[in-house]
Amino acid sequence: DGGITQSPKYLFRKEGQNVTLSCEQNLNHDAMYWYRQDPGQGLRLIYYSQIVNDFQKGDIAEGYSVSREKKESFPLTVTSAQKNPTAFYLCASSTGIAYPYEQYFGPGTRLTVT
Amino acid sequence: AQSVTQLDSQVPVFEEAPVELRCNYSSSVSVYLFWYVQYPNQGLQLLLKYLSGSTLVKGINGFEAEFNKSQTSFHLRKPSVHISDTAEYFCAVSGKNTGGFKTIFGAGTRLFVKA
Repeated sequence: DGGITQSPKYLFRKEGQNVTLSCEQNLNHDAMYWYRQDPGQGLRLIYYSQIVNDFQKGDIAEGYSVSREKKESFPLTVTSAQKNPTAFYLCASSTGIAYPYEQYFGPGTRLTVT
Repeated sequence: AQSVTQLDSQVPVFEEAPVELRCNYSSSVSVYLFWYVQYPNQGLQLLLKYLSGSTLVKGINGFEAEFNKSQTSFHLRKPSVHISDTAEYFCAVSGKNTGGFKTIFGAGTRLFVKA
């Protein structure tokens, strides 16, 4: 079955540590996205990538970094510079950004930093 | 640029009653509209979308939405809800920006279906 996998489902870290969230898709999609979800705030775009080796900042990129070395993979690193990292993180993909394609979402990773 | 407003943060309703979840948008360009559903601790999945054509769009699980350009609205409706419809619902608008289409999500409406 095609889809998006995110791992782990729950992640706990101490303040000051960097942490990397995994996102893999087998839908052959060109575009991939990372969102942060906080209660009552909907989804906010962190980074997106249109194609391998290219990515763009979203609305709340500060304190985060990404890479896109393979079409299937778009890992997100939450750095120690991110002031409020505790949140639910969602990865998504779509065919591309040249048309209003629907986005397909992974199950999410809940990150807790103490 | 575009924006989307979901007018209700929470909607409680009894099982088998009708429900309407409201969504308004603003945009300086043509828009394309989506409703997604999120069950607890899961990702989002598409309920329905409006790209062009008939303004009444039917989706999965018996939901439908109507695109109203004059009122800049895309409200989601279901004539009779089930307990299993309890979830969070997100309205999203996609519009053409420099470099491609950008999608903006609303803050979400939490639907509680009571027995």
